[in-house]
Amino acid sequence: AQSVSQHNHHVILSEAASLELGCNYSYGGTVNLFWYVQYPGQHLQLLLKYFSGDPLVKGIKGFEAEFIKSKFSFNLRKPSVQWSDTAEYFCAVNPLNDYKLSFGAGTTVTVRA
Amino acid sequence: GAVVSQHPSWVICKSGTSVKIECRSLDFQATTMFWYRQFPKQSLMLMATSNEGSKATYEQGVEKDKFLINHASLTLSTLTVTSAHPEDSSFYICSAIAGRTYNEQFFGPGTRLTVL
Repeated sequence: AQSVSQHNHHVILSEAASLELGCNYSYGGTVNLFWYVQYPGQHLQLLLKYFSGDPLVKGIKGFEAEFIKSKFSFNLRKPSVQWSDTAEYFCAVNPLNDYKLSFGAGTTVTVRA
Repeated sequence: GAVVSQHPSWVICKSGTSVKIECRSLDFQATTMFWYRQFPKQSLMLMATSNEGSKATYEQGVEKDKFLINHASLTLSTLTVTSAHPEDSSFYICSAIAGRTYNEQFFGPGTRLTVL
């Protein structure tokens, strides 16, 4: 079974700072990769996903993620965060042609105005 | 498109009672739905996979007699927490796959269950 590790439990930063959240997975085969965001009191929303092709994926709200196969990583980035980016961020993985998603533990991002 | 709803959004019940949570795909047919549980400040843990017209597949450690899942139609799956106890208090989230694509799950808003 695959597992997903998110390196940061809680990140606190100021508005306009750059954000990078780490995500590593353990699985030897081909995977689909996702980043979800959960704003306070709201449901999970898909930020971006990677299935194949260009390893640099752009998502909504200015987020992007880079898949580095050799490092089994899929780190999330945003050049300049806003207060509204305060949320919980989850990395998730499923093997190709398997529907079961494995989630990382999540990273709480707090952006201070 | 690809909207998933859950009802109720929150429920409070007494210990020993049963609670049913509905998950609906509003604008697509979902052959497969998933039920997750999320404890405060923790990640989502898959409880079971629900396939339309067949028995649910439960993850290891999840009691199938306690968490009854029914996927009677292509747009509705229900999770019934039977004889609920305070330790069952949690946030229950469903998701659905549209058709036969395994590439993306669409999540419902979740149901907050509090057992007194």
